[in-house]
Amino acid sequence: DTAVSQTPKYLVTQMGNDKSIKCEQNLGHDTMYWYKQDSKKFLKIMFSYNNKELIINETVPNRFSPKSPDKAHLNLHINSLELGDSAVYFCASSQNPGQGYEQYFGPGTRLTVT
Amino acid sequence: TQLLEQSPQFLSIQEGENLTVYCNSSSVFSSLQWYRQEPGEGPVLLVTVVTGGEVKKLKRLTFQFGDARKDSSLHITAAQPGDTGLYLCAGGVWNTDKLIFGTGTRLQVFP
Repeated sequence: DTAVSQTPKYLVTQMGNDKSIKCEQNLGHDTMYWYKQDSKKFLKIMFSYNNKELIINETVPNRFSPKSPDKAHLNLHINSLELGDSAVYFCASSQNPGQGYEQYFGPGTRLTVT
Repeated sequence: TQLLEQSPQFLSIQEGENLTVYCNSSSVFSSLQWYRQEPGEGPVLLVTVVTGGEVKKLKRLTFQFGDARKDSSLHITAAQPGDTGLYLCAGGVWNTDKLIFGTGTRLQVFP
């Protein structure tokens, strides 16, 4: 069983479109995250949710809107896609918010905006 | 802005060699984690260190957290091709569940 799954794995779309990436974890974790990894492999947190409540919201354009229907799911919706949004997006989860807890990452979604 | 710089950025070595990867910051972190990421996959945790000066060993890998909790190192003894991957350090921000990831070290071990 996959612990943290994301769909789709690859997403190619044109500028201006709206797209969503879905994430599900079956670990029973309370906290979920979205990260963006750029072409230089730099991994930066975008959002975190704890039990459906937004905890961290980094300086991310408001075209990005996370949605957590329940604590096992954290989806990412992106409006009006731009070329600079091209990156690999990772979903992750952890048992509890706090220091030292392992984050379990999904396989990533490679988004290409043309 | 908290930043974790890793060095070297790239490392290509022969099987059997030893290597050390460094992770440095001017910020103090609550904990330090090391992850390895393989192509097409998400990062996977290798170790977490939480006490300044702490040393942890995982088979041929030795991890150390600096006394001042600002830096860390990862030493690999007798590297093997299976060690190839992107190594990421990540610092825990006090009183949050936020991790600041390092700039990454891409390791290639040739047979």
